Amino acid sequence: AAGVIQSPRHLIKEKRETATLKCYPIPRHDTVYWYQQGPGQDPQFLISFYEKMQSDKGSIPDRFSAQQFSDYHSELNMSSLELGDSALYFCASSLDGGYYEQYFGPGTRLTVT
Amino acid sequence: ILNVEQSPQSLHVQEGDSTNFTCSFPSSNFYALHWYRWETAKSPEALFVMTLNGDEKKKGRISATLNTKEGYSYLYIKGSQPEDSATYLCAFMTGNQFYFGTGTSLTVIP
Repeated sequence: AAGVIQSPRHLIKEKRETATLKCYPIPRHDTVYWYQQGPGQDPQFLISFYEKMQSDKGSIPDRFSAQQFSDYHSELNMSSLELGDSALYFCASSLDGGYYEQYFGPGTRLTVT
Repeated sequence: ILNVEQSPQSLHVQEGDSTNFTCSFPSSNFYALHWYRWETAKSPEALFVMTLNGDEKKKGRISATLNTKEGYSYLYIKGSQPEDSATYLCAFMTGNQFYFGTGTSLTVIP
């Protein structure tokens, strides 16, 4: 069965650079969530989209932005990267909001040097 | 920021033992409570989505209960096996936001 695809899997950037992470949800899933997991921390909710519209916003810094496209894939854009942005970024997809389980992608490991 | 607490933080049990752990969350503005199993170097895997007070769900040897009025959910594992070793995360949903607990790390000793 198709799973959530994230690319790239690993990314190394320098401070003040920009990064774009991509997420391709499971076919027919209309909801996408982004999470950030720092070293030794639990996942922190960043932002979610439902039917290409932002549905909620969590602890996402102003330097980050995201969108969901017409094919339901989503991109997380991160600018002016800081060392503290180094983390594992998970994307998850589901049907129609929280009544359905989320399926997580493998994550993108971002390292900022 | 909402507080979702899980206890205990870690647990070591012998193979064959049954065990349970707790997820505590705010009792107001409840939408759903999710349980996930997270093995090292893998993505979280959904176990249960619970939405109604009194919900009980079961998947094989794992079951969960939900009390939204008092704000807690229990996860039970019957007859633990080494392959059950993982971190078990609960996530409280309010609106369209998810708040994850810090997880319970379970190690099953053969």
